[in-house]
Amino acid sequence: KNQVEQSPQSLIILEGKNCTLQCNYTVSPFSNLRWYKQDTGRGPVSLTIMTFSENTKSNGRYTATLDADTKQSSLHITASQLSDSASYICVVSATDSWGKLQFGAGTQVVVTP
Amino acid sequence: EAGVVQSPRYKIIEKKQPVAFWCNPISGHNTLYWYLQNLGQGPELLIRYENEEAVDDSQLPKDRFSAERLKGVDSTLKIQPAELGDSAVYLCASSLGSLKEAFFGQGTRLTVV
Repeated sequence: KNQVEQSPQSLIILEGKNCTLQCNYTVSPFSNLRWYKQDTGRGPVSLTIMTFSENTKSNGRYTATLDADTKQSSLHITASQLSDSASYICVVSATDSWGKLQFGAGTQVVVTP
Repeated sequence: EAGVVQSPRYKIIEKKQPVAFWCNPISGHNTLYWYLQNLGQGPELLIRYENEEAVDDSQLPKDRFSAERLKGVDSTLKIQPAELGDSAVYLCASSLGSLKEAFFGQGTRLTVV
């Protein structure tokens, strides 16, 4: 069973609208959680990295939240743009795994005009 | 500064043929990863290097896959012989340490026919 579950699997939103992606994880002991954006045909690019003590982190129109108690994270996209169309991947690492990253399957976001 | 560079970008081969991928990590990054990514899925770790030592190769199918990182810089990943199921994107990533942010290359898309 994957230790990082993302929802929804895909979503379509209108340009200018907001959306929120979810990530639930069971990875333990927790080290950090990352959100990556992966454009079609490209490698993933880091958006945010959060450690246990961080509840929220922003990168432009992207805002990630973390609740380490419930082991949940969200990525909020504000005022979506066509260039936001991509797969968003949640990645969690454990402190005892020597850097082994657990990847979610990603949420495919399509922004339409 | 150049990011992680992978080559080739695309490769089409017949089954049972050998194939090799090359990765040049970001200068100074001692940790190097090779991932396999199937369509619609998150990356799956094949092997992780700390300098020239393979510290996690538990997911590498050693009967047909091999990797090396001579001098702790560039790395090659080889498949021999390739099978139809090996068709996927092979991603290379590097980081300053096992718990630091990983930077990904654009990947090599392999198609086995």
